[in-house]
Amino acid sequence: GQNIDQPTEMTATEGAIVQINCTYQTSGFNGLFWYQQHAGEAPTFLSYNVLDGLEEKGRFSSFLSRSKGYSYLLLKELQMKDSASYLCAVRDSNYQLIWGAGTKLIIKP
Amino acid sequence: IAGITQAPTSQILAAGRRMTLRCTQDMRHNAMYWYRQDLGLGLRLIHYSNTAGTTGKGEVPDGYSVSRANTDDFPLTLASAVPSQTSVYFCASSEEGAGYNEQFFGPGTRLTVL
Repeated sequence: GQNIDQPTEMTATEGAIVQINCTYQTSGFNGLFWYQQHAGEAPTFLSYNVLDGLEEKGRFSSFLSRSKGYSYLLLKELQMKDSASYLCAVRDSNYQLIWGAGTKLIIKP
Repeated sequence: IAGITQAPTSQILAAGRRMTLRCTQDMRHNAMYWYRQDLGLGLRLIHYSNTAGTTGKGEVPDGYSVSRANTDDFPLTLASAVPSQTSVYFCASSEEGAGYNEQFFGPGTRLTVL
């Protein structure tokens, strides 16, 4: 079966750095996505990785290792507005997205 | 309209009733999707459409039907609602094909079936 694993919840301090991990087992791989979802709102796109390595976009970076079935999202200089759920999703061989349950990130002052 | 709209925002429905959730996008995207999101579970795909006139079943299609008469609209129908269909429903759209093709989501419909 297909499976995406992420921690359920993480806590970090304002101004710090946090890494959210995602491991996956899917039938085929055509890219990995990270989305941000604030409570009561729709998911919004953060990043996309299809090749191994690090993609940097401002305070957010995403890393992929296809051989290990592993990705992480790195958030730097945390702000209170970063409190949200972070969803990892893998596009499988049918070009459909398989979603993890999400990681709820709590930022403390 | 800017992006994707969904209606209604929320609904309380008696079990056994028929309900259609509406979704409209103005981005001229070929592909559209319906997901449900339940606490502790990831987004689960109900149905999708790669282009107007075609639809496909996702991971959890039972009890739901869709149609895609044109590019902009993708309604989801619950023929006879059951309490297990209580959930938040998201409609999404994207360009079809390879490439990163991020999915854009509507604001969601919160449905309660009693």
